[in-house]
Amino acid sequence: EDKVVQSPLSLVVHEGDTVTLNCSYEVTNFRSLLWYKQEKKAPTFLFMLTSSGIEKKSGRLSSILDKKELFSILNITATQTGDSAVYLCAVGNSGNTPLVFGKGTRLSVIA
Amino acid sequence: SQTIHQWPATLVQPVGSPLSLECTVEGTSNPNLYWYRQAAGRGLQLLFYSVGIGQISSEVPQNLSASRPQDRQFILSSKKLLLSDSGFYLCAWSVGRVNSGANVLTFGAGSRLTVL
Repeated sequence: EDKVVQSPLSLVVHEGDTVTLNCSYEVTNFRSLLWYKQEKKAPTFLFMLTSSGIEKKSGRLSSILDKKELFSILNITATQTGDSAVYLCAVGNSGNTPLVFGKGTRLSVIA
Repeated sequence: SQTIHQWPATLVQPVGSPLSLECTVEGTSNPNLYWYRQAAGRGLQLLFYSVGIGQISSEVPQNLSASRPQDRQFILSSKKLLLSDSGFYLCAWSVGRVNSGANVLTFGAGSRLTVL
């Protein structure tokens, strides 16, 4: 059974700090790993990673995948209160089943 | 552009009452449609998905059912709600094969259900 484990489950930081969120996975026939941000309602898509070692970047957010060690990290630099959200990691395989999500990391950024 | 609508946004129901949550997608044809449930501290649990009209795949056997009466409409139902059905229900869509590795899910705004 495919499995996604995120850590930490929750995190409180001060504005300006840099944070690293972790996602490890076990999946048969891995194809992609996705990161989502969920503030209050609908999760919104951040990144899709398919290749090891290639960093995806969007503003202060970046992510990288290690297919050998089966994990990904999401980095947020110079955090702002608007970064407060639940960050979800999901993995997809080459089979015929939908994405499997982790439990998420709840990030709280305080001023 | 594509949009996804989900309603109602909030629902408080007594135990034993029926449930109907509706989701519609606009601006695309033949989408894959999904129902997820998010309980506190438990991440997103896939309940059902559908690749076409009348085609429903159930991931977790429970007190709920799903139907897809039209191409862009997905309904989540229950005949008798349980306390454990409380949670945040999210509808999502994608295009192409359900082969999830290539597809990005787009989510609706969610329906928060409280069963008392």
